Amino acid sequence: QLQLQESGPGLVKPSETLSLTCTVSGGSISSSSYYWGWIRQPPGKGLEWIGSIYYSGSTYYNPSLKSRVTISVDTSKNQFSLKLSSVTAADTAVYYCARPKRGGYMDVWGKGTTVTVSS
Amino acid sequence: EIVLTQSPATLSLSPGERATLSCGASQSVSSSYLAWYQQKPGLAPRLLIYDASSRATGIPDRFSGSGSGTDFTLTISRLEPEDFAVYYCQQYGSSSSLTFGGGTKVEIK
Repeated sequence: QLQLQESGPGLVKPSETLSLTCTVSGGSISSSSYYWGWIRQPPGKGLEWIGSIYYSGSTYYNPSLKSRVTISVDTSKNQFSLKLSSVTAADTAVYYCARPKRGGYMDVWGKGTTVTVSS
Repeated sequence: EIVLTQSPATLSLSPGERATLSCGASQSVSSSYLAWYQQKPGLAPRLLIYDASSRATGIPDRFSGSGSGTDFTLTISRLEPEDFAVYYCQQYGSSSSLTFGGGTKVEIK
């Protein structure tokens, strides 16, 4: 059974770069036709798609975050990663990794990790 | 970017009642590429419905989805105690731009 697990610092200073990793178990991240994605949820608010990466390496980003986001895949470690630069308090959220099946609906989710931006 | 508007924001119902949740899109969602999720406090969202009307694996048949174009509906035929949660719709007409609705909270009346 495919499982996803987020990891990374829970506290990031303003203006710095947020870095998170999602480890995939129970399946290969490089299996064809799979996408991998990141979604976030600020405290008490709704869900926001951050971006997705295709197994081939093609990336797709939320236009509102595109200038600050990088998503990459490390097939040797069966992981994919998120980097969000120049963070502010507005980036404080629970960050989820997920599998967007057929590039669209998220059929598998990680449990989420809370990231707080504060000095 | 397609904007999704969910209504109502809060739905107050009793167990056993029927719940009808709406999701409206600012433009037509291609191929009815719309999903519904359930989220309980402190947990990740769970996929309920994809392609507007297909139930995900393990989802009870009291959950059903319908709609096309710009208007979509999630119906819970008879609310069970475990169904009280927040529900989100999401469109994936283009894999390069995914958007979620603002959510509907189904609470116990």
